[in-house]
Amino acid sequence: GAGVSQSPRYKVAKRGQDVALRCDPISGHVSLFWYQQALGQGPEFLTYFQNEAQLDKSGLPSDRFFAERPEGSVSTLKIQRTQQEDSAVYLCASSEHRAQYSNQPQHFGDGTRLSIL
Amino acid sequence: GQQVMQIPQYQHVQEGEDFTTYCNSSTTLSNIQWYKQRPGGHPVFLIQLVKSGEVKKQKRLTFQFGEAKKNSSLHITATQTTDVGTYFCAGPQWDRGSTLGRLYFGRGTQLTVWP
Repeated sequence: GAGVSQSPRYKVAKRGQDVALRCDPISGHVSLFWYQQALGQGPEFLTYFQNEAQLDKSGLPSDRFFAERPEGSVSTLKIQRTQQEDSAVYLCASSEHRAQYSNQPQHFGDGTRLSIL
Repeated sequence: GQQVMQIPQYQHVQEGEDFTTYCNSSTTLSNIQWYKQRPGGHPVFLIQLVKSGEVKKQKRLTFQFGEAKKNSSLHITATQTTDVGTYFCAGPQWDRGSTLGRLYFGRGTQLTVWP
């Protein structure tokens, strides 16, 4: 595809429900990142994949958050037993090469705006 | 831990005035990236600075990287309404000679331009 695609654009869930957010990166991009962006803040790192390997998950706020990229392309961020503080925009970004040992531009999707009632 | 701080948080200017946002890191950065996020949009990569003291220009935008590689600035000359948005700086985590992939974003400077 032309850019990073995320779905759904908007998600409303009741507290306690599980949600799954999808990210389709730019075709062929090796690196994939998930960020959480609260209103008026910069993106906060959640996790990083190099192909299918999750190399850094240190930003995940709790064990209710889980991410996977099983075939090294599409990724899913799952949040279990959602809480109100999980309300935010979840951004996915991809970059062409391995992020380690070099830095490259990250290409962001439009994000999923998650609202927990 | 590593932090990237950005000031000011908000800036309101009249069209045609200049604008500057400043970014400071608690640690030395291997490089720094700048992104722009339009209202309701997603961050879009603008530029990456790598060398100490580096200055890069993109039309009316001038980016600088400090000599100590701990600070950076973005200056816009003669702002236009199309410059509206939030400007973020971002620096990589760096540990024992390698970047670990993650970027630390500043809080951003939200620019409003009055016509």
